[in-house]
Amino acid sequence: GNSVTQMEGPVTLSEEAFLTINCTYTATGYPSLFWYVQYPGEGLQLLLKATKADDKGSNKGFEATYRKETTSFHLEKGSVQVSDSAVYFCALRGTTDKLIFGTGTRLQVFP
Amino acid sequence: NAGVTQTPKFQVLKTGQSMTLQCAQDMNHEYMSWYRQDPGMGLRLIHYSVGAGITDQGEVPNGYNVSRSTTEDFPLRLLSAAPSQTSVYFCASSYGQENSPLHFGNGTRLTVT
Repeated sequence: GNSVTQMEGPVTLSEEAFLTINCTYTATGYPSLFWYVQYPGEGLQLLLKATKADDKGSNKGFEATYRKETTSFHLEKGSVQVSDSAVYFCALRGTTDKLIFGTGTRLQVFP
Repeated sequence: NAGVTQTPKFQVLKTGQSMTLQCAQDMNHEYMSWYRQDPGMGLRLIHYSVGAGITDQGEVPNGYNVSRSTTEDFPLRLLSAAPSQTSVYFCASSYGQENSPLHFGNGTRLTVT
């Protein structure tokens, strides 16, 4: 079945550092891929998405490219801020309608 | 702009008690789902629905029932609560297409003692 694997956290960075959170997936067909963010005490919010191979999703300085050849959708940001501290979830949605999540990666950014 | 509304925000139950977690959305979304979030486990799908009158099981359906009598509402029922059901529960909805993102409620934190 479909699955998503994320790097374990926490990821600890200083402000303005470069961020990469790895995400790989296993799926049949051509799923859509998503990154969600969860701030403390809140529900999940969509951060960005990509719906086909080589698409790049971007939002708030975050980017991720749908790489079918490596089955990856790594999240990157060039310069993180303290306000980016949150838990980030990679997810995929295929033809079965179900959205499958990775286990989440906690990011902590210090000034 | 209500979006997805979950009630209650917090609940404490004793083992064996029953309760219903409420979820309502005002976006006319066909698809609705329930997840539970546990430390180190990410979000796991409990039940989902692709439209009124249709429900199906997710990864961890045991101990939970759902129904979808209207497009707007998708309640989750715990018939006999167990400590293993202590978790944070999220309801989410979307349009039916596979490239549609989910919209999440703010969650219900349930403790079963």
